[in-house]
Amino acid sequence: AQTVTQSQPEMSVQEAETVTLSCTYDTSENNYYLFWYKQPPSRQMILVIRQEAYKQQNATENRFSVNFQKAAKSFSLKISDSQLGDTAMYFCAWIGGTSYGKLTFGQGTILTVHP
Amino acid sequence: GAVVSQHPSWVICKSGTSVKIECRSLDFQATTMFWYRQFPKQSLMLMATSNEGSKATYEQGVEKDKFLINHASLTLSTLTVTSAHPEDSSFYICSARGGGTGGTENTIYFGEGSWLTVV
Repeated sequence: AQTVTQSQPEMSVQEAETVTLSCTYDTSENNYYLFWYKQPPSRQMILVIRQEAYKQQNATENRFSVNFQKAAKSFSLKISDSQLGDTAMYFCAWIGGTSYGKLTFGQGTILTVHP
Repeated sequence: GAVVSQHPSWVICKSGTSVKIECRSLDFQATTMFWYRQFPKQSLMLMATSNEGSKATYEQGVEKDKFLINHASLTLSTLTVTSAHPEDSSFYICSARGGGTGGTENTIYFGEGSWLTVV
């Protein structure tokens, strides 16, 4: 069975600094996608970044970037120049090529950005 | 981009009554939608997979008679909590897989979520 593990229940960072959230996963599939979702207090799930497993290049979206290590099954999220609005719960998620949308989520990491 | 709308955002109902939550894909057809439940500071727990034109697939431990799912069209799935009790109070959120091409077909879009309080 596929599993996603986020080993950091809570993290904190000072505004303008950089923080990295960890995620590891386990799968026997070769074709899959990985995501980071942000869930602010409003509870809206917001897609932060997505990575296709077949792509070697790490995905980047403005201040957000990932370090995708396929062999190690690791998918960490780096947030640069942290802003107060980045305070939220962050979920790492996996979907297989044949899962038809059924996401497997990690436990989540609560990130607090301090002024 | 693809949008999934969920309604209502907040609902309060009396114990023993039923309440319906709707999940709509606004600009794409979703043959499959998913319903999750989330407790405070916890991850999303998949309840069931909603399949258009067929019966929903429920996850282990989810009572199918209590959480009725109907997916009657390509853009609408509903979750009905029957004979609700206070322990059913929670945050419920739906999702749908993006259709078409151009990369959205493997992106999952979420509704805004619905807070259910049973009193």
